[in-house]
Amino acid sequence: QQQVKQSPQSLIVQKGGISIINCAYENTAFDYFPWYQQFPGKGPALLIAIRPDVSEKKEGRFTISFNKSAKQFSLHIMDSQPGDSATYFCAGTFSGSARQLTFGSGTQLTVLP
Amino acid sequence: EAQVTQNPRYLITVTGKKLTVTCSQNMNHEYMSWYRQDPGLGLRQIYYSMNVEVTDKGDVPEGYKVSRKEKRNFPLILESPSPNQTSLYFCASSFAQGLGTEAFFGQGTRLTVV
Repeated sequence: QQQVKQSPQSLIVQKGGISIINCAYENTAFDYFPWYQQFPGKGPALLIAIRPDVSEKKEGRFTISFNKSAKQFSLHIMDSQPGDSATYFCAGTFSGSARQLTFGSGTQLTVLP
Repeated sequence: EAQVTQNPRYLITVTGKKLTVTCSQNMNHEYMSWYRQDPGLGLRQIYYSMNVEVTDKGDVPEGYKVSRKEKRNFPLILESPSPNQTSLYFCASSFAQGLGTEAFFGQGTRLTVV
């Protein structure tokens, strides 16, 4: 059972454009939603995260938008750069969860120079 | 340097030949997990451990074993590997669960079972 659905599977954006990746979750107990970034040959690394009591969180060019009623959240990358080319995973988890993170299926982002 | 170290990075083996992938972390984390990454399926949890001698199944535990005899180590054991276990494997560690707990991942082990 996939509790976090992610789209699109792949995304190609021109340099300077906006990259948008969407996720939807099913488990209403989730209270922490991180995004992980993975470069080829590397393990995933935490990029940015949000809690459901806020609707938006911004860190530099990266913004998470969160819609609790729709059970959806998205990652926006402004002014996308070739160095942002990577695979992005959204995830959900909840306090007290020994199982920790439930990941989406991933989005392979390519930013063209 | 804080890190999670997996070995080997690449492994080709034959069906049925037992193998172990090692994982070690130097951050004194309580939690450790194993994931497998497959195209279109994302990262799926195999097993996790909340502390020494405490382990439990994740989403896809069939065909795998783990042990946690020391806090820093969490090996993944494939007693009789099969081709459907060909995948990219990641070990991760973190402090005890809670809001904002960041998981640190190793660099991965690419396993091919022929």
